[in-house]
Amino acid sequence: EVRLVESGGGLVQPGGSLRLSCAASGFTFSNYFMSWVRQAPGKGLEWVANINPDGNDKYHVDSVKGRFTISRDNAKNSLFLQMNSLRVEDTAVYYCARVGYGGNSFDYWGQGTLVTVSS
Amino acid sequence: QSVLTQSPSVSAAPGQKVTISCSGGSSNIGNNYVSWYQQFPGTAPKLLIYENNRRPSGISDRFSGSKSGTSATLGITGLQTGDEADYYCGTWDSSLTAGVFGGGTKLTVL
Repeated sequence: EVRLVESGGGLVQPGGSLRLSCAASGFTFSNYFMSWVRQAPGKGLEWVANINPDGNDKYHVDSVKGRFTISRDNAKNSLFLQMNSLRVEDTAVYYCARVGYGGNSFDYWGQGTLVTVSS
Repeated sequence: QSVLTQSPSVSAAPGQKVTISCSGGSSNIGNNYVSWYQQFPGTAPKLLIYENNRRPSGISDRFSGSKSGTSATLGITGLQTGDEADYYCGTWDSSLTAGVFGGGTKLTVL
C-alpha cells in the first residue's frame, strides 16, 4: 500500500523557516517524480514544486523561487521542502504527492501538514 | 487568478448528469495531458482522471474525462449525494515550466 506521511508543519513568524518532510512507503520511491502541492485556507490547490527521481532536476512555482527548495533522500525514502523567508501568504496545508501515470498527474497524496505564518 | 479556468459551482439533481469544464491555453491543456481530482472538505485530493480520459483502478465509470483543443471536461453520470465535493483540473504548463490547477468547482447534488 502506497503511503505518504507529511510532518514538520506548525506556527512560524513571518521571515522564519520550516522544513517539511514526507515519508514514503509501499513503492520504489527512487523511481518516481515527487511534488509538493499546497492549499491556503478556503482556497484551491496550488502546485509548489517538483523533483525528478535522482533529485537533479527541480522546478518551483515563481512565488516561492529563491525561498523554498525541494529535495529528496532516496536512501531514506523521504521528500523535503525547505521553506525560508516565510510570508503570511504561505499559510496553507502542504501536501506531498507522487507524480504518476504519464508524468502529468498526482496519483497518491499524503494527508497534509498545516503551515501557519503569523506574528 | 488560476491559469486554468473553472466555473466556481455547478449543481444537479440525484441521478442526473453534470459536466465540469476547464479552460486553458496552448502551453498547458493544448499540449499536455489533463488530470482531474475530487476533494472532500478536510481531506486530501483524490485522482479521478489522468491522461485526459483514463480512470485509475477503483474509480467508478460514472466519471469520465475528455479534451478538445485547449479545454477539458469532467463528466459525472448517475449523480449521488456522495459526489458532493470540490473538483479540480490540473496539467503542466510548458511555458511556465510549472504545474497548474483550475480554481476548482464545487458540485452540489440537490
